[in-house]
Amino acid sequence: GENVEQHPSTLSVQEGDSAVIKCTYSDSASNYFPWYKQELGKRPQLIIDIRSNVGEKKDQRIAVTLNKTAKHFSLHITETQPEDSAVYFCAAKDSNYQLIWGAGTKLIIKP
Amino acid sequence: EAGVTQFPSHSVIEKGQTVTLRCDPISGHDNLYWYRRVMGKEIKFLLHFVKESKQDESGMPNNRFLAERTGGTYSTLKVQPAELEDSGVYFCASSQDLGWGSPLHFGNGTRLTVT
Repeated sequence: GENVEQHPSTLSVQEGDSAVIKCTYSDSASNYFPWYKQELGKRPQLIIDIRSNVGEKKDQRIAVTLNKTAKHFSLHITETQPEDSAVYFCAAKDSNYQLIWGAGTKLIIKP
Repeated sequence: EAGVTQFPSHSVIEKGQTVTLRCDPISGHDNLYWYRRVMGKEIKFLLHFVKESKQDESGMPNNRFLAERTGGTYSTLKVQPAELEDSGVYFCASSQDLGWGSPLHFGNGTRLTVT
């Protein structure tokens, strides 16, 4: 079945710098890759997603890239701000339509 | 639109006791999922309802866990008897359909601590 690996587990960046979180997946049939953000004490919320027929998608300061050949996808956050501090989860939707999740990355924005 | 609600937000029980978690999905969402996250690890799939039917329960760890969704509305997840390794945050999520354009909406989760 599908397996999703996410790195790093913790990422600390200076405010204003960029942050990159990477995920790899194993099932080449996976075709949908969302990213969720969970702020402290709150529910995970979808922030951006990408389908397998697209290589990159941007939404203001966040972007996701997908490399189908290498089976990895990444979340990029530019000009980081304190409110970006959260746990970020990647996921891959497998051929059974189930989302398989990464272990999460705790992003810390240092003032 | 009301979001996904879960009750209770926290539960502390002793090993061997029973706990029942409740999830109210967004109205009209046929798909309801239960997930569990143990500290520092991935969000693990437990099961998926489509309306009142269990579509996939391959993630349920063992027969101490029982999920129901009578009438296809709210769902309950019962753990009986609870063990120490059941501790974690239990998330419920719902979606309108299975398509890629139908995102999961999560509840705030229930933090279960088994002592």
